[in-house]
Amino acid sequence: DGGITQSPKYLFRKEGQNVTLSCEQNLNHDAMYWYRQDPGQGLRLIYYSQIVNDFQKGDIAEGYSVSREKKESFPLTVTSAQKNPTAFYLCASSISRASTEAFFGQGTRLTVV
Amino acid sequence: AQTVTQSQPEMSVQEAETVTLSCTYDTSESNYYLFWYKQPPSRQMILVIRQEAYKQQNATENRFSVNFQKAAKSFSLKISDSQLGDTAMYFCAFMGTNQAGTALIFGKGTTLSVSS
Repeated sequence: DGGITQSPKYLFRKEGQNVTLSCEQNLNHDAMYWYRQDPGQGLRLIYYSQIVNDFQKGDIAEGYSVSREKKESFPLTVTSAQKNPTAFYLCASSISRASTEAFFGQGTRLTVV
Repeated sequence: AQTVTQSQPEMSVQEAETVTLSCTYDTSESNYYLFWYKQPPSRQMILVIRQEAYKQQNATENRFSVNFQKAAKSFSLKISDSQLGDTAMYFCAFMGTNQAGTALIFGKGTTLSVSS
């Protein structure tokens, strides 16, 4: 089945540690996105990538990094510079930047203790 | 920069009733896409309906329809014959087409509760 997979579903890390969230898609989509969801804040864009080896910062990129070495994969690293990393993270993909629909993964709940 | 505003943080409705969720947006682009996504308690994002700005006809998907007012930059969602399964958070979203690197921009969401 085609789809977009995020792993793990739940992630716990100690404060000060970097952590990488996985996002893989087998939909042959060019564009991929990372969003952060906090209560009352909706979905805020962290990074997005329109093609392999290229990505742009979103509204809240500070403290995060990404790579896009393969079309299928768009991992997000939450660094120790991120002041408040505990949140729900959603990855999405679409055929292109002007696609009619974005498909979402099931999300990763990151808790930093 | 584009912005999306949902002014109703929470709404409630009884089964079988009709409810309308509001959304306004701001953009300088002439062509773009608008979406309503549903996020049930499972937190899986589900596309409800989409509208292309150059199409004047309002989109409809079964019990879901939109009222798209391009001049007013308004994009409301009407849910008819509400069902318990409609209980979810609803997000309005915008995607431009003219700028390089455009991403999907979301509003803060409206939590809808449907009761029996």
